[in-house]
Amino acid sequence: DAGITQSPRHKVTETGTPVTLRCHQTENHRYMYWYRQDPGHGLRLIHYSYGVKDTDKGEVSDGYSVSRSKTEDFLLTLESATSSQTSVYFCAIRTEESSYNEQFFGPGTRLTVL
Amino acid sequence: DQQVKQNSPSLSVQEGRISILNCDYTNSMFDYFLWYKKYPAEGPTFLISISSIKDKNEDGRFTVFLNKSAKHLSLHIVPSQPGDSAVYFCAASAWAQGGSEKLVFGKGTKLTVNP
Repeated sequence: DAGITQSPRHKVTETGTPVTLRCHQTENHRYMYWYRQDPGHGLRLIHYSYGVKDTDKGEVSDGYSVSRSKTEDFLLTLESATSSQTSVYFCAIRTEESSYNEQFFGPGTRLTVL
Repeated sequence: DQQVKQNSPSLSVQEGRISILNCDYTNSMFDYFLWYKKYPAEGPTFLISISSIKDKNEDGRFTVFLNKSAKHLSLHIVPSQPGDSAVYFCAASAWAQGGSEKLVFGKGTKLTVNP
């Protein structure tokens, strides 16, 4: 257990509204990631962070922004949610001790955009 | 352009037999390959990994084989148990900014182990 929590765990929202998902870790690891999982697509990287205020885009970053103002929290924001952003969102961390670049995942947030 | 491919969406095996899950990749720069297991309504959990300089790694019932010339890896589960029923994702590790390493995932294979 890498001490990762995600909030909310479930959310239903309407098209055009802003949404922020939170990922919180308790062990001060440097590297954090946001993925989305969709049927037929596996997991796809949205954004990642390599330190406080240090972030970069993944393969599906359009329509998403992130912020990391402190080590333990990594926020994912949908500025104006669309139905195509209905998905399950996973946060992950990579520890400094990882031998194989393995990442550890949170429990996920199921987001539905109506 | 899909860099990591799992061409079998599903696999069904009998309890006690071997399960073989396959994965192909296109990028020669990947340095590690990983397998994750995912149950419904849970996050993926790390299962086993292999360095690109190795050709085999074993951990209990799980063995991963890497064939670099073919850009192919496989996960063997022996013997298969009903609790192994899950979706298995193949992933490859690639360099990213700030010393980070990002994972590129395949689409997953749903394994069903029948009692």
